[in-house]
Amino acid sequence: DVKVTQSSRYLVKRTGEKVFLECVQDMDHENMFWYRQDPGLGLRLIYFSYDVKMKEKGDIPEGYSVSREKKERFSLILESASTNQTSMYLCASSFRTGPYGYTFGSGTRLTVV
Amino acid sequence: QKEVEQNSGPLSVPEGAIASLNCTYSDRVSQSFFWYRQYSGKSPELIMSIYSNGDKEDGRFTAQLNKASQYVSLLIRDSQPSDSATYLCAVNLGAGNMLTFGGGTRLMVKP
Repeated sequence: DVKVTQSSRYLVKRTGEKVFLECVQDMDHENMFWYRQDPGLGLRLIYFSYDVKMKEKGDIPEGYSVSREKKERFSLILESASTNQTSMYLCASSFRTGPYGYTFGSGTRLTVV
Repeated sequence: QKEVEQNSGPLSVPEGAIASLNCTYSDRVSQSFFWYRQYSGKSPELIMSIYSNGDKEDGRFTAQLNKASQYVSLLIRDSQPSDSATYLCAVNLGAGNMLTFGGGTRLMVKP
């Protein structure tokens, strides 16, 4: 069964901490994405990557960075966590071309206190 | 202007009825259309994809696409309480395999 795996289901961090969210996929997908989802705001794209070491800003990149050193792994970094980054974070992956949808990971519920 | 629009709901239907969920999009050249189901606290799960005008059926689900009118819909026949979830419409609006998501419609199926 194909999978997108996010390292943590629930995470609690303190304000100012550096936070790493990890995502691994086993489908040989070129594209990987990080979204956050908040009530009433839908899915908002933070960053995406279409190849190893490539990254593109999404709609809300401020306060975040990403790393993609290997094709299967895409990391989201909160440089200095703040309470307004409390959210559900969703990783997704897809093939670069073709009429394919995204496969989502199970999500990480991050609480910053 | 939002590029993919859905009524946020909630859409309430009785058990056994047909639930009809609608989605409109802005780009006439869109080629790929997807429906995701998201249970509360869970991640989106792909349930239907459609690429050509007309209907596509999969079990109790039917996706309908009308490119001329720029809308895509999802019908759920014999709705069950377990179908209660938020349904996200996603459209490939431009080049490459990049999807734009609607805000989702919350469906409630009452026993």
